[in-house]
Amino acid sequence: DTGVSQNPRHKITKRGQNVTFRCDPISEHNRLYWYRQTLGQGPEFLTYFQNEAQLEKSRLLSDRFSAERPKGSFSTLEIQRTEQGDSAMYLCASTSRVTGNTIYFGEGSWLTVV
Amino acid sequence: DQQVKQNSPSLSVQEGRISILNCDYTNSMFDYFLWYKKYPAEGPTFLISISSIKDKNEDGRFTVFLNKSAKHLSLHIVPSQPGDSAVYFCAASEGGNNRKLIWGLGTSLAVNP
Repeated sequence: DTGVSQNPRHKITKRGQNVTFRCDPISEHNRLYWYRQTLGQGPEFLTYFQNEAQLEKSRLLSDRFSAERPKGSFSTLEIQRTEQGDSAMYLCASTSRVTGNTIYFGEGSWLTVV
Repeated sequence: DQQVKQNSPSLSVQEGRISILNCDYTNSMFDYFLWYKKYPAEGPTFLISISSIKDKNEDGRFTVFLNKSAKHLSLHIVPSQPGDSAVYFCAASEGGNNRKLIWGLGTSLAVNP
């Protein structure tokens, strides 16, 4: 499977705990995005990487959120001291100039904070 | 303020008929538009896109029409099939290296056998 891969697919955690999600983009894609989606809403942009450089962060990304893409390949999204409002699906997507402007999404990581 | 609007939260269509999903936008700087299909608890799946230099793009049963003057686009599915039942999202992006997507709230399509 050469699509965007995310894990874990589902995570249930207690309030206050830290969680980390991993995204493996399509191998030749140099651009990687994180989005968050809650029920009844469209995905909301969180952050964007071009290679290893994090070029943009949304205001939605509070200090408790951090994303990395250390070698320009996979990326991690960490949420510290989780709150119930963090419960959502976290989507990773990737693209490159080769694919034009089409952005391909992974299956998503569903977070439930109890 | 919602820059991309999908005013119909749901649509029900008979199998074999045409499904028309509509999307309006407010930002005239958007130059690329995409439609995604999404099942519950899964990531969005890319369907079809259109650049602002075109007014129509077709791929199999899916056709997207763009009316720049009205800031309106629509997705036509012909013929509709029960497997098309899902939530359809319209997304738009501006020029530039970022290419982040601005999304509508989605339209839930039900295709009845």
